Amino acid sequence: ELKVEQNPLFLSMQEGKNYTIYCNYSTTSDRLYWYRQDPGKSLESLFVLLSNGAVKQEGRLMASLDTKARLSTLHITAAVHDLSATYFCVRSYGQNFVFGPGTRLSVLP
Amino acid sequence: DTAVSQTPKYLVTQMGNDKSIKCEQNLGHDTMYWYKQDSKKFLKIMFSYNNKELIINETVPNRFSPKSPDKAHLNLHINSLELGDSAVYFCASSQEWEKAGELFFGEGSRLTVL
Repeated sequence: ELKVEQNPLFLSMQEGKNYTIYCNYSTTSDRLYWYRQDPGKSLESLFVLLSNGAVKQEGRLMASLDTKARLSTLHITAAVHDLSATYFCVRSYGQNFVFGPGTRLSVLP
Repeated sequence: DTAVSQTPKYLVTQMGNDKSIKCEQNLGHDTMYWYKQDSKKFLKIMFSYNNKELIINETVPNRFSPKSPDKAHLNLHINSLELGDSAVYFCASSQEWEKAGELFFGEGSRLTVL
C-alpha cells in the first residue's frame, strides 16, 4: 500500500525559532513534492525533489530528500507568522499523487 | 488567466439532490484529477483522466460520475447527495515531465449538504 506519513501533524512555534517537519513514505517512487495550503485556499507547489540527496531552498524553507531512508524533511528557519499554513508532503507514482495527512503549522508572535 | 478554474466555488444543497462541478484548465496538460478534502484536511484522489481516458478510479460511490468531454475539461456529477459528501472538491491537472510533473490545483469547490 502506498503510504505517506508526516510528523508532526500539528506544530505551534514561536517566531524566530527553527523546526523540521518529517515525511516518511512506504515505497520507492518517482518524485517528492511539498505543497502549502493556506486556510480556505487552494494548494500551491513549494518544492519538487527528484533524486536522492536533492536539496531545495526558498526563503526560510528548505526541503531535502533521502531516498534510501524514504525520508524527506522540510526545515523552517527563523519562522515568521506568514509561514502559518498546512504543509503537505506528496509522493508521485507515475501520474498518481499520494498525499500525506498534512502538518498544520501555527507561528505565534 | 486562471490556469485551473472550477465552478461553482460554493454549493449548498439538500440531501438527495444532484449537483455538478465543472473544471477547466488552460495549461495544455494531458492529465486531470478530482480530489476530495475532508474536514480534517485529508486529501484523497477520486478520479484521474489522461487525454479523456479514465486512468484512476478510486473506491468512490457510484453516485459520483466524472466526465471529460475533452482534455481541457473534467466535470464531476454527484447524484443523490448525502451528508457525508460535504467536503471541498479540488480539480487539478499535471503534465508528466513538464515542470517536474507537479499538480496545479483549482481554487476548490466547497460543497455543503444539509
